[in-house]
Amino acid sequence: AQTVTQSQPEMSVQEAETVTLSCTYDTSESDYYLFWYKQPPSRQMILVIRQEAYKQQNATENRFSVNFQKAAKSFSLKISDSQLGDAAMYFCAYRRNTGNQFYFGTGTSLTVIP
Amino acid sequence: DTGVSQDPRHKITKRGQNVTFRCDPISEHNRLYWYRQTLGQGPEFLTYFQNEAQLEKSRLLSDRFSAERPKGSFSTLEIQRTEQGDSAMYLCASSLALGEKGFFGQGTRLTVV
Repeated sequence: AQTVTQSQPEMSVQEAETVTLSCTYDTSESDYYLFWYKQPPSRQMILVIRQEAYKQQNATENRFSVNFQKAAKSFSLKISDSQLGDAAMYFCAYRRNTGNQFYFGTGTSLTVIP
Repeated sequence: DTGVSQDPRHKITKRGQNVTFRCDPISEHNRLYWYRQTLGQGPEFLTYFQNEAQLEKSRLLSDRFSAERPKGSFSTLEIQRTEQGDSAMYLCASSLALGEKGFFGQGTRLTVV
């Protein structure tokens, strides 16, 4: 079974600083997708960044980048130059290449301190 | 607004009543998903449609739960004889293809009293 673990229930970062959110996952598949989703309070979940497992290059999206370590089954999210609007719940998610469902971690609540 | 929309946003119901939620996916998306999210947890998969066919159901989806997508467009999720444990946020998502990112709606928050 696929499981996704986020070991940091809460994180905080000073505005303009950098923060890294951790995620590990367990799978026997070789081809899959990994995602980071952001869920602001009372708002819908939106995709932050997506990584295909077959790609060695780490995905980047403006201030957001990932450190994908396939052998270690680790997928951390780095947020650079943190902004107040980055404050939200962040969920790491896994999806098999041929699968239909996302498997989500329990989330990390990020606070940005002005 | 061309995103995924869910209705209602909030629902309070008495235990034992039936409730129905609606999800309108992004129009060209043929894949639709229902998830349930309880406080402090990540979303948990409930069921999946490809067009009008319900192809996958989680064991979380008890006999009191039923989902439909009759014309391959909008979907409904019905919970019969609601229990307090059904209180949660019910999320709908849609996507165009396997492996593609899911676009989520804002969810329906159900409170069973």
